[in-house]
Amino acid sequence: RKEVEQDPGPFNVPEGATVAFNCTYSNSASQSFFWYRQDCRKEPKLLMSVYSSGNEDGRFTAQLNRASQYISLLIRDSKLSDSATYLCVVTSRRGTYKYIFGTGTRLKVLA
Amino acid sequence: EAQVTQNPRYLITVTGKKLTVTCSQNMNHEYMSWYRQDPGLGLRQIYYSMNVEVTDKGDVPEGYKVSRKEKRNFPLILESPSPNQTSLYFCASSPWRGSRGYTFGSGTRLTVV
Repeated sequence: RKEVEQDPGPFNVPEGATVAFNCTYSNSASQSFFWYRQDCRKEPKLLMSVYSSGNEDGRFTAQLNRASQYISLLIRDSKLSDSATYLCVVTSRRGTYKYIFGTGTRLKVLA
Repeated sequence: EAQVTQNPRYLITVTGKKLTVTCSQNMNHEYMSWYRQDPGLGLRQIYYSMNVEVTDKGDVPEGYKVSRKEKRNFPLILESPSPNQTSLYFCASSPWRGSRGYTFGSGTRLTVV
C-alpha cells in the first residue's frame, strides 16, 4: 500500500462547478499536511497547509480527518485557471521531516 | 525575490559523461532536497540536507551525489549518468527541517542518451 494515495483523475468539471479531492495516508504518526499545485512540466507550488480545524483560502478549503487518515481539498466556483495537478503531501518525523508526495490528481476545468 | 534557482533548465547528455545540476536558494533555509519526478511515480526524494555539511540519502540515491559546503548551494552530481536517470529533477528548500512547506526550483529536464 502506498503511503499517500490519490485518485489520479482526470476530473473534468465545467467552469463554476465545485470539485473535491481526497487523499489518504497510511502513517498515523504523520504530522504536517499540504496541498500543492503543479502545472504541466512546472515546479510544484504550495497551495495551502492543512490544519486539523480546517482552513479556507478564498475558493479553496482544506480539511484534515486524522481518525480516518485523509485530507481533502474543495474548490468552489472552478475557473479555467484551476486546471492543474494537485499533489497531496504528508510529512512524518523520522529524525527529520520527511515529505511524502502523492502522485497527484489531475483537474481539467472546461469552458 | 525569494527563490530557488536551478541550472540548467534542460540538458541532453551521453551515458557516462559526468554532470552537475546546480541549485541555489536565497532564503537562508536550512533544509534542502533533491527530487526526481517520473510519470506515474510522482516525486521521489534523492538526497536531502539539514544544514551545511549534513546530507543524507532519500529514497532513490543510487547514481547520485550531493554536497552542501555553503548554506545556499546544494548541487546534484551524476558521476556516470545512465539512461534510467532521464527524468525531471527538482531542487527544493524549506526553513527548519522541512516542516513548513517547500519552495521548489523551476526544474531541470535531463535526457541521457
